[in-house]
This record gives sequence, structure tokens and C-alpha cells, in this order.
Amino acid sequence: DTEVTQTPKHLVMGMTNKKSLKCEQHMGHRAMYWYKQKAKKPPELMFVYSYEKLSINESVPSRFSPECPNSSLLNLHLHALQPEDSALYLCASSPGQGATGSPLHFGNGTRLTVT
Amino acid sequence: QKEVEQDPGPLSVPEGAIVSLNCTYSNSAFQYFMWYRQYSRKGPELLMYTYSSGNKEDGRFTAQVDKSSKYISLFIRDSQPSDSATYLCAMKDDYKLSFGAGTTVTVRA
Repeated sequence: DTEVTQTPKHLVMGMTNKKSLKCEQHMGHRAMYWYKQKAKKPPELMFVYSYEKLSINESVPSRFSPECPNSSLLNLHLHALQPEDSALYLCASSPGQGATGSPLHFGNGTRLTVT
Repeated sequence: QKEVEQDPGPLSVPEGAIVSLNCTYSNSAFQYFMWYRQYSRKGPELLMYTYSSGNKEDGRFTAQVDKSSKYISLFIRDSQPSDSATYLCAMKDDYKLSFGAGTTVTVRA
């Protein structure tokens, strides 16, 4: 088991549904990340939160909406997704965002299927 | 040209062999270098991380970084079937983590 916990493990949703992915870490890390990973590809960065503030948005469509309620929690709200959004969504955390805040610790992801 | 280049393989070796993986990069701002292992349907698991050029050893794993050549390597000694996974190199500057494509390794019993 990893120290970054993601729920749910699997999610199937229709294109008109609204759902949320949740991530939790208790390592005292101050940077948290959302990544998207398609099959046989490396993870792609979506969002970075540093000290609970959004610091990076990699031009992600607005149908993905991140939220960081506190330093331990990170949510990703999903609305009106497309079938091509089906992927493994990974949460990660690190002590800080910059190079000195390395390395990132990943959860096991939520496998999302959009029908 | 990608910032991080990694041969995707696949790589198949017999049990007990040495597995050699490598990545090259073009961004001189990368300061931290990591290797992750990812099993099917799991998240990436941090194996090794290093800041400086040189070697770092942890059990059967050795990571090498050559900043002058912009080249990093991971060696797995006495490979086991349980080492069968995808290995991702990753590099970090002040902005973000950049991954290589990942190399799929199979260790045959």
C-alpha cells in the first residue's frame, strides 16, 4: 500500500454525470499533484497545488476542476467528460514543489471509464 | 525533440541477469533524477532518487547520473521475475517532473 490514498479505485461514469476523485496523504507534504496516464504512456501533469494554492494548470479542459480543501486532501471534480478522458488518474505529493522538494510519491490511481 | 528520451523496449532478460536501463535529457535545469517502477494497474513506485552526478546504490539497484553527458542509468543486479514491470525515469526542475516514455521489462524464470 502507498502513503497516498486514492478513492475510488475504479469509476465508470456517463458523459452527463458529475463525479469526484479523492486523494489523501498524511506525510505532511505541502505539494500535491494530479496526473493523467493513458495505457502504455507516461503520466501527464494536469494540476499542481502548493501550500493549498493552485500553482500549475497544464491547460486542462474546464470539465476537470481541482480542489484542495486542506493540506492533506486533494479532489478532482469531473463533469461532462468525453470517452477519450478514460484513463488512470494519479495523485501524488511531495514535501515541496520546487526541485528541492523532490521526490514525488504516487497513489495507485483511479481507473476512470467514461461511457 | 522530447525533453527526456527513454527506449520503450520491451526488454526481456533471464532470471539472474543484469538489467540496464537508461535515459538522456536535454534540459540543463533538471536537478533531481528519479527512477520509478510501475506494475500493471498500480501507481508509479519510487525506486531511486539522486541529486548529484555519480552512483547511488540501494540493494540490487544502482542509479548513475552523468550531468555532463545528460545521461542517467539504472542497473538491476540478480534480476527476479518480480522485477517485471515498467520502469520510468523522471527528472525535476523548479517547475515540474518530466517523465521518460518508460521501459517495459520482463524477467523470465
